[in-house]
Amino acid sequence: QKEVEQNSGPLSVPEGAIASLNCTYSDRGSQSFFWYRQYSGKSPELIMFIYSNGDKEDGRFTAQLNKASQYVSLLIRDSQPSDSATYLCAVNLLNDYKLSFGAGTTVTVRA
Amino acid sequence: EAGVAQSPRYKIIEKRQSVAFWCNPISGHATLYWYQQILGQGPKLLIQFQNNGVVDDSQLPKDRFSAERLKGVDSTLKIQPAKLEDSAVYLCASSLGVYDRGAGETQYFGPGTRLLVL
Repeated sequence: QKEVEQNSGPLSVPEGAIASLNCTYSDRGSQSFFWYRQYSGKSPELIMFIYSNGDKEDGRFTAQLNKASQYVSLLIRDSQPSDSATYLCAVNLLNDYKLSFGAGTTVTVRA
Repeated sequence: EAGVAQSPRYKIIEKRQSVAFWCNPISGHATLYWYQQILGQGPKLLIQFQNNGVVDDSQLPKDRFSAERLKGVDSTLKIQPAKLEDSAVYLCASSLGVYDRGAGETQYFGPGTRLLVL
């Protein structure tokens, strides 16, 4: 079983819509959860992190964490063409700063 | 604040040749990571340093890969000899290395080195 799983996509949404990305993880001891955005040919850049159950909002992005279900999601509201990228979910598994990444979900926002 | 620096940005070599990558982390970051990212996959951790000590190298193919972080700052990753399957982007990242839920563990990535092995 993979440690971190994401829907591979691609996910296509119209401009202005909400994009919903899902991530599940296998280790119940996971502490912190990160969402990175990676444009084609570029390196990952941090969008936000979350470590408490519930929602965390930052601008147009909302991360949702449900530790009981071992599930973390990212919502992108009012999607823009500039949001077209691959979104990587990463999980801190051992509380030693090591991150395990999912394979990413590719999002395309149609103008 | 300057970000993570890496060089070279691109490298093309033939199989069985050797190659080295360099990384300079964000100033003050104690933890440094090297990742391998194959096209279509997420980054895979190769090695993690805390200051100049190795914390985790369980996924480093030690028969051909080596890495060092002298003086706890810059790091080099070497492949010798390279194989076709080593073609990937090699990402260096750094983090503060202090425990602070989320913030201290956040990793910042350099631009990466694209390696093509022919």
